[in-house]
Amino acid sequence: QSALTQPASVSGSPGQSITMSCTDISGDDGVYRYVSWYQHHPGKVPKLLIYDVSSRPSGVSERFSGSKSGNTASLTISGLQPDDEADYYCTSYTPSTTLMVFGGGTKLAVL
Amino acid sequence: QVQLVQSGAEVKKPGASVKLSCKASGSSFISYYMNWVRQAPGQGLEWMGIINPSVGNTNYGQKLEGRVTLTRDTSTGTVYMELSNLRSGDTAIYYCAMMTGYAGGALDVWGPGTKVTVSS
Repeated sequence: QSALTQPASVSGSPGQSITMSCTDISGDDGVYRYVSWYQHHPGKVPKLLIYDVSSRPSGVSERFSGSKSGNTASLTISGLQPDDEADYYCTSYTPSTTLMVFGGGTKLAVL
Repeated sequence: QVQLVQSGAEVKKPGASVKLSCKASGSSFISYYMNWVRQAPGQGLEWMGIINPSVGNTNYGQKLEGRVTLTRDTSTGTVYMELSNLRSGDTAIYYCAMMTGYAGGALDVWGPGTKVTVSS
C-alpha cells in the first residue's frame, strides 16, 4: 500500500476546532484496515491519540476525536490549545499481513 | 506497563551496516508485536517493519525490504533492527514501538529513539 495522503499543514486559533484528513486508507484491495493517529512534538516521542478510527486511549483528552468516511479518515481537535501545535500522523494497519503505512504528516499551527 | 530502552547513538560510513537494540521491561515481552519507525531530518515518520517476538515472524516496509532485518532474543527480551548498505538518507532517529494494549495495530508504547548518522 502506498503512503497515506495528509495535508501538509493546517492552522487554527486557540479555542477553535480543526479537522485534518487522511486519505487512501483503504487501498485498492478492499481489505479492512485499522486507522490510528499520533501526535509528535519535535524532539519528543510520538504519542498515540486515536486507535481503531475513533477510540481514545486512556489519558488522551476528549478534545481529540477520530472518524472515517469511505476512504478518508479524519482527526478533529476541539478547543485548540497552544500545546496542540505539533505534527500529526495517521497510520493504516492491515492485521492479516501486519503491514503498516504512515501518512506524510500534517503540521498544525496554533496561531 | 512496558518500557522500552534503546541502544545508544551510532555513526556509520556509507555502505556499512548498523544494528540497534530495543529491550522491553516490565511486562511479558513475547506477548506484543514490536515495530520499528524512523524519522529522517525534516521528514515524516516511516514504518520500517514488525516482528512477532513469540515466533519471530517478520514483515517489512516495501521501501526498505531487502536491507532491514528484525530479530529477537527471547531470553533477554530484546529486539534488534539491522539495516545494511547504509546511505546518507538513512540518517534518522530510529524508534522501536510496541502494540501492547489497543486494537488495530496501535503503537502505544515507544522507545526514546536512537540517532543514527551516516556520513563519510
